[in-house]
Amino acid sequence: DSGVTQTPKHLITATGQRVTLRCSPRSGDLSVYWYQQSLDQGLQFLIQYYNGEERAKGNILERFSAQQFPDLHSELNLSSLELGDSALYFCASSVEGRQAGDGYTFGSGTRLTVV
Amino acid sequence: TQLLEQSPQFLSIQEGENLTVYCNSSSVFSSLQWYRQEPGEGPVLLVTVVTGGEVKKLKRLTFQFGDARKDSSLHITAAQPGDTGLYLCAGASNTGNQFYFGTGTSLTVIP
Repeated sequence: DSGVTQTPKHLITATGQRVTLRCSPRSGDLSVYWYQQSLDQGLQFLIQYYNGEERAKGNILERFSAQQFPDLHSELNLSSLELGDSALYFCASSVEGRQAGDGYTFGSGTRLTVV
Repeated sequence: TQLLEQSPQFLSIQEGENLTVYCNSSSVFSSLQWYRQEPGEGPVLLVTVVTGGEVKKLKRLTFQFGDARKDSSLHITAAQPGDTGLYLCAGASNTGNQFYFGTGTSLTVIP
């Protein structure tokens, strides 16, 4: 157990639908990062939150959004889902955004399948 | 985007053999990390290298950061089936608060 909790572990939904992925960071970590991993694109950075505020944006589609709540858990919302959105979605946390040398702690991921 | 290319993309070797995985970029990174990911799990941090030319050893794994901090290598001695997995390098941006992941090397060690 890495200390980063992601739910659900698996999700199957239809095209056009909307889903919410949840992440609880490791205790004491203020930064949360969301990544998308697919076979052909590798691990792609989506977005980072630090202590409730958006810190950095990567290759995140406009149909996707995220937020970090006061208790530091984060949610990634994916809407108008397309077949190509099928992927593993990982959440990672770190102590603070400025000292990334400590590395990320990853959750076990949510496998999203869009049918 | 700071692109990190890893080679080889796939590697299948016999137990007991040695191997080296490379991670190359045209960008300079303030630090570089190596992760291993097993199927169905998230990547797990193996090591962080910070100084150009730095070498770190973790049992049978040797990590090196290039002098110019643009590249890195991972050498595994006497590979074991338990080493099987996806190896990812990740370079930290100059601000240090974001990592860019490499394309990954999928290693299979055959008993």
